[in-house]
Formats: sequence, C-alpha cells, structure tokens
Amino acid sequence: DVKVTQSSRYLVKRTGEKVFLECVQDMDHENMFWYRQDPGLGLRLIYFSYDVKMKEKGDIPEGYSVSREKKERFSLILESASTNQTSMYLCASSVTGGKGYTFGSGTRLTVV
Amino acid sequence: QKEVEQNSGPLSVPEGAIASLNCTYSDRGSQSFFWYRQYSGKSPELIMFIYSNGDKEDGRFTAQLNKASQYVSLLIRDSQPSDSATYLCAVMRESGAGSYQLTFGKGTKLSVIP
Repeated sequence: DVKVTQSSRYLVKRTGEKVFLECVQDMDHENMFWYRQDPGLGLRLIYFSYDVKMKEKGDIPEGYSVSREKKERFSLILESASTNQTSMYLCASSVTGGKGYTFGSGTRLTVV
Repeated sequence: QKEVEQNSGPLSVPEGAIASLNCTYSDRGSQSFFWYRQYSGKSPELIMFIYSNGDKEDGRFTAQLNKASQYVSLLIRDSQPSDSATYLCAVMRESGAGSYQLTFGKGTKLSVIP
C-alpha cells in the first residue's frame, strides 16, 4: 500500500513563526498536493506539484509556499503563521493518470 | 470556479437500509469521479471511482454516474453503524503537463442508527 507520512499529528505554533509541514510518500508518485480542511469549507487546495522542483498554486496559496527538492518529499511552509491558518492540513499523492489520491493522516495546526 | 455540490446532511438511515448519497458538478468536461469516506478526526480514504456512465459495484457500494445530468451518486446497501462517516465526492480536472487535480465537495455526513 502507498504510504503518505506527515511528520506531525498535532502542532502548536505562535503567531509570526515560520512553520514547516513535511510530507513524504514511498511509492514514487509524481504528483503531490497540500490541502487544508476547515468545518463548513471542506477541502481546499493550497499548492500542488507534478514533478521535482515544480509547483503550482491551488485555490488558496496566499500566506503559504512549498518546496519539492526530492520526488518523495513535499513541504508546506507558512512564512509567518497567523491565527487564521489554524486548520487541519492534509497532504496527498497520486500517480499521473487519474486514479485518485492517497492522503496522509493529517496535521492539526493551531496558531496562538 | 468549478464546483462540486453535496447535501451536507446529516443523513440518518436505520441499520440494514440503503443509504443514498448524491453529488452534482458544474464542469461538463469532468472525466472521473471519486468517493472518499472520512471518519471523524481521520483523513479521507478512497472508496470508489467511476468514469463511465452507468453503475459500478464494489461489495456493498455502488457508484452511479450520469454525465448528461452532471450527477454522481453512491449507494450503500445493508448500511452498518461502521459506515457512519462523512462522504466526500470529488471530480477530476486536468491541470496541464499530464497532471490533474481533484475538486472536492464539502461532504455529506451519514449516520447509521442501530
């Protein structure tokens, strides 16, 4: 089975801190994605990457950046965390060809 | 903005009944459609996908697709309390360079009453 691993399950950070969320997949998938999920708003795409060093903005990229230096790792960076970035962050990966995503277990980030 | 609409629920069904979950989408060019199940506090897991008009069955689950009506549904037969979860409908769209994105609905919360 594909495994997508997110480095932290719960994270508490202070306003203004730089925050790194890490995601690693072990099945050589080309595509990786970062979503955030909020009650009543559903899953919203922040950034995605379809190849090493490639990145594309999703629907809500403001306040975030990403890095993909190796195929298996996709990092989400909050340059200066704010309280409105408190959320559940979900990483996913997929092969090219449309067979759906595999999600990591999620990181619940609280910014205080 | 490509949209995927689901009734938020909660949808309550008695144990052993058929649960019917519905989804509509706005992008007529959408090719593939996915159903995910998400338990409270957990991440979504893929149940089924469908890309041809008609029905696709997998165990107690049946996905139905009608592209002319831009409608996709998920039927769960012999519903069990363990099926209680939020069900997310997702629609695939191409995003260039051979890659694709899924756009998700907000989900329907299903509660199966023992």
